[in-house]
Amino acid sequence: GENVEQHPSTLSVQEGDSAVIKCTYSDSASNYFPWYKQELGKRPQLIIDIRSNVGEKKDQRIAVTLNKTAKHFSLHITETQPEDSAVYFCAASILPSNTGKLIFGQGTTLQVKP
Amino acid sequence: SQTIHQWPATLVQPVGSPLSLECTVEGTSNPNLYWYRQAAGRGLQLLFYSVGIGQISSEVPQNLSASRPQDRQFILSSKKLLLSDSGFYLCAWSPDRGRVGQPQHFGDGTRLSIL
Repeated sequence: GENVEQHPSTLSVQEGDSAVIKCTYSDSASNYFPWYKQELGKRPQLIIDIRSNVGEKKDQRIAVTLNKTAKHFSLHITETQPEDSAVYFCAASILPSNTGKLIFGQGTTLQVKP
Repeated sequence: SQTIHQWPATLVQPVGSPLSLECTVEGTSNPNLYWYRQAAGRGLQLLFYSVGIGQISSEVPQNLSASRPQDRQFILSSKKLLLSDSGFYLCAWSPDRGRVGQPQHFGDGTRLSIL
């Protein structure tokens, strides 16, 4: 079945360093890849997304890259700040389907040390 | 703009008691709706999804059921709660765009503790 593998499961960086989280998906028909940030006890919030017709997208300090051939996509956070500490989930759309279902990775706990 | 409301925020229930969690969406029509459960420190497990009124699909066999009595209302229920039903329950919606992938937007969640 469809699967999304996310690595690493935990990531600790010093404030100001960059952080990279990587995901691999199995369904070559997937065309949409969102990233969510979940702070402790809160709901997951969409922070950036990318569609399969785009290779890279950037929004201030965060960027996402997509390699369709390798079925990899990655989240890049530059100049990390303590408020970036959270759990990050990647996801991929499940196709063919009109249900809007997403399959999520298992999450990466990012800790930014001041 | 669209908003999603989920309640209650926290709930403590005894084993064997019934459950009803409600979720409503405003500002959109015919949304896709989802119920997820998240165990402490774990990922998101999809429980149910719905593409329309009365249309419910279950992802995993369990002690729970879902209903969609109105276009923008999604209810998660149980007749008799088990200890294993404890967790953080999240409702989400996404716009219906056919086969084009769309973001899901989550409610604030219900933290359910079974005693």
